[in-house]
Amino acid sequence: GAGVSQSPRYKVAKRGQDVALRCDPISGHVSLFWYQQALGQGPEFLTYFQNEAQLDKSGLPSDRFFAERPEGSVSTLKIQRTQQEDSAVYLCASSLAEGGGNTIYFGEGSWLTVV
Amino acid sequence: AQSVSQHNHHVILSEAASLELGCNYSYGGTVNLFWYVQYPGQHLQLLLKYFSGDPLVKGIKGFEAEFIKSKFSFNLRKPSVQWSDTAEYFCAVNWGQGGKLIFGQGTELSVKP
Repeated sequence: GAGVSQSPRYKVAKRGQDVALRCDPISGHVSLFWYQQALGQGPEFLTYFQNEAQLDKSGLPSDRFFAERPEGSVSTLKIQRTQQEDSAVYLCASSLAEGGGNTIYFGEGSWLTVV
Repeated sequence: AQSVSQHNHHVILSEAASLELGCNYSYGGTVNLFWYVQYPGQHLQLLLKYFSGDPLVKGIKGFEAEFIKSKFSFNLRKPSVQWSDTAEYFCAVNWGQGGKLIFGQGTELSVKP
């Protein structure tokens, strides 16, 4: 596709419910990133894939958060037993190649509200 | 720890005023530097980036930024802002770790017509 696509755009979950957020990166992009953006804050890094390999998951806040990219394209971020503090915008981003010198393109985000 | 600091949380300007938004990062080494903009209701878009070479970088929509290595800074400038520049601006730094970006907390710019 033309850009990074995320779904659902909006999700309301009851506390304790599991959620799954999907990301379709730009076709051919090797690197894929997940960020969490709380209201009034900058995006915070969660995890990074190069193709299907998850190379960095240092930003995942707890073991309730899990991300996968099994075929090196579409990625899913799963949050188990959601808590109110999980309410945020979850941003997916992709870049053509690995390395810090490449432009990273962001999707519109999935807005999660936990009630 | 790696961190990025943006000095101003909210800036209010009149049209045609000059803009400078500050950005500092925690320590040196090889860095790649970015400014992203987020217009209301839209996704993050790249304004400009610095990888190497000329420390004065020009981006889209008349924006530019200057990398000052000795000050660990990458300030964003525009000589004359327009109402359409109203948005949130984020500075981001990559320290070469596979493309991972560390973002500042953002600066909300409001331009009065």
